[in-house]
Amino acid sequence: RKEVEQDPGPFNVPEGATVAFNCTYSNSASQSFFWYRQDCRKEPKLLMSVYSSGNEDGRFTAQLNRASQYISLLIRDSKLSDSATYLCVVNGGFSGGYNKLIFGAGTRLAVHP
Amino acid sequence: DADVTQTPRNRITKTGKRIMLECSQTKGHDRMYWYRQDPGLGLRLIYYSFDVKDINKGEISDGYSVSRQAQAKFSLSLESAIPNQTALYFCATSARGGGFNEQFFGPGTRLTVL
Repeated sequence: RKEVEQDPGPFNVPEGATVAFNCTYSNSASQSFFWYRQDCRKEPKLLMSVYSSGNEDGRFTAQLNRASQYISLLIRDSKLSDSATYLCVVNGGFSGGYNKLIFGAGTRLAVHP
Repeated sequence: DADVTQTPRNRITKTGKRIMLECSQTKGHDRMYWYRQDPGLGLRLIYYSFDVKDINKGEISDGYSVSRQAQAKFSLSLESAIPNQTALYFCATSARGGGFNEQFFGPGTRLTVL
């Protein structure tokens, strides 16, 4: 089983739609969770951290369910510019001073007019 | 100007050749990392370094070596390239400190080994 699993998609949605991605992780000891965005052939960039209480940043809402070990990302009012791959990232434990990050393979979103 | 730069951006080479990928950063970060990305897989850590005298293996270090020449420079070498090392390679940096620090990625190097 992969440490971090995501539906690869693609999710094809019209502009203005609401779309949600889920991600599951296997290490129940994980403490930190993040969503990164990666545009085609570009580097990943941090989109948002995921807090236990859930957090919102404009049209983006991230939630964490520790009991079921999954993280979600909700995008409201989708824009064409939201088209990208969204990477779920989980802290894999602290070892030797390093907070190891485990990256999911990503979920691809395509927003069309 | 980009804070994290990688050279070359694209490279095609043959099996058995020695290849060096270079990474430079102007963010002043102590920590630097090398990852590879393959289709259908998440980024996987090859090596990381917390300062100039600190080098650590990641989960897939076999076949790779690194050198931290200065705080701002971290290079990745493939001593004898093989086709399954064909991938997209990213360098990343983060600030020192406990807990999570956001990692900033370079633009990537697309390596093809024939």
